[in-house]
Amino acid sequence: AQSVTQLDSQVPVFEEAPVELRCNYSSSVSVYLFWYVQYPNQGLQLLLKYLSGSTLVKGINGFEAEFNKSQTSFHLRKPSVHISDTAEYFCAVNPNTGNQFYFGTGTSLTVIP
Amino acid sequence: GAGVSQTPSNKVTEKGKYVELRCDPISGHTALYWYRQSLGQGPEFLIYFQGTGAADDSGLPNDRFFAVRPEGSVSTLKIQRTERGDSAVYLCASGTYSGELFFGEGSRLTVL
Repeated sequence: AQSVTQLDSQVPVFEEAPVELRCNYSSSVSVYLFWYVQYPNQGLQLLLKYLSGSTLVKGINGFEAEFNKSQTSFHLRKPSVHISDTAEYFCAVNPNTGNQFYFGTGTSLTVIP
Repeated sequence: GAGVSQTPSNKVTEKGKYVELRCDPISGHTALYWYRQSLGQGPEFLIYFQGTGAADDSGLPNDRFFAVRPEGSVSTLKIQRTERGDSAVYLCASGTYSGELFFGEGSRLTVL
């Protein structure tokens, strides 16, 4: 069985500070990994994805994530956040033997001016 | 438009009523997913279509929930005898073989 754990439900951070949103997963098979962002009253948008290759993945809006197979983690980072980054962030796993996508419970990022 | 379209955006109904939620995926996307998102939770898988057939309906909570995709494009999620616990945002997503999902803005269902 697969599961996704986002360890922090809420992360407040000051503008221009760095941020890391944590994601761990459990899976008995190899996986594809995703981070989605949900702005208020909007649908989920893809930030970045890991399918294969380099473990450091760069996405939109200056975000990046690193796949660590030994620690089964896919943490999201940004070196300097903006007010506009305030949103809900979801980590998702797709076991590449199937078509199910499993989502974490989300991390609410609040950027403080 | 080019994105996933969901209608209605908001639906308020009374307990026991029947509800239909519609999803119009991105043209050419063969995969279509329905998710349910409750307040403070991540999206919860309901059903997945590949073409016209439901490839995986293991997430449907009970037999009051049903979904169809008769022509392999538009899908309708149907909920019979609605209950207050069905209140949530119902998300539709379509995708390709690259593994990326494109989400609609959701249909917010409120059961009074």
